[in-house]
Amino acid sequence: SQQGEEDPQALSIQEGENATMNCSYKTSINNLQWYRQNSGRGLVHLILIRSNEREKHSGRLRVTLDTSKKSSSLLITASRAADTASYFCALKSHGSGNTGKLIFGQGTTLQVKP
Amino acid sequence: SQTIHQWPATLVQPVGSPLSLECTVEGTSNPNLYWYRQAAGRGLQLLFYSVGIGQISSEVPQNLSASRPQDRQFILSSKKLLLSDSGFYLCAWSWGIGGADNEQFFGPGTRLTVL
Repeated sequence: SQQGEEDPQALSIQEGENATMNCSYKTSINNLQWYRQNSGRGLVHLILIRSNEREKHSGRLRVTLDTSKKSSSLLITASRAADTASYFCALKSHGSGNTGKLIFGQGTTLQVKP
Repeated sequence: SQTIHQWPATLVQPVGSPLSLECTVEGTSNPNLYWYRQAAGRGLQLLFYSVGIGQISSEVPQNLSASRPQDRQFILSSKKLLLSDSGFYLCAWSWGIGGADNEQFFGPGTRLTVL
């Protein structure tokens, strides 16, 4: 399957701790994106990393990409209760053309306890 | 700025009844449009996508159909709902030609329960 596979499926941490989520994939990609979904809501785009990039930062978010291992990780530092949500990786594969299609993973559910 | 609307927010329908979910985008032209279904606690399944008016691509065989009668309007339909059609339906858009990164922007979703 080309689908991104995320690990762990669920993560529970205390406020202030760091949260790390991983995404592995099998296809060749142009970029990899991370999205966040609060319960019962739509997804919100967090950060994008291109295939020629290795690391990217946005506020408390740090994303790494290892194309040789076909894996990415999302690190949320100093987590807050408001970070509680599901996080999805999404792949733009080389074959997507101008369709705009993304391949979404199954997601990691993060619970941050106050 | 661009906005995306979906309605209704929730819907309870009997088995065998028809379905029509609507999605509209404002503030952009020629977007790519997408319908996803999400089962409880699961990832997103792409149902349909469209790169232009009247152009619909189906990803999985199913009881549903989609139409794009106007540039920024995307409709998900069914003639007869099945129990298995229950789920959370999400509409999304991305930049069309020239939108190289494929970042997608999601609507608030419709929770469909078929009884």
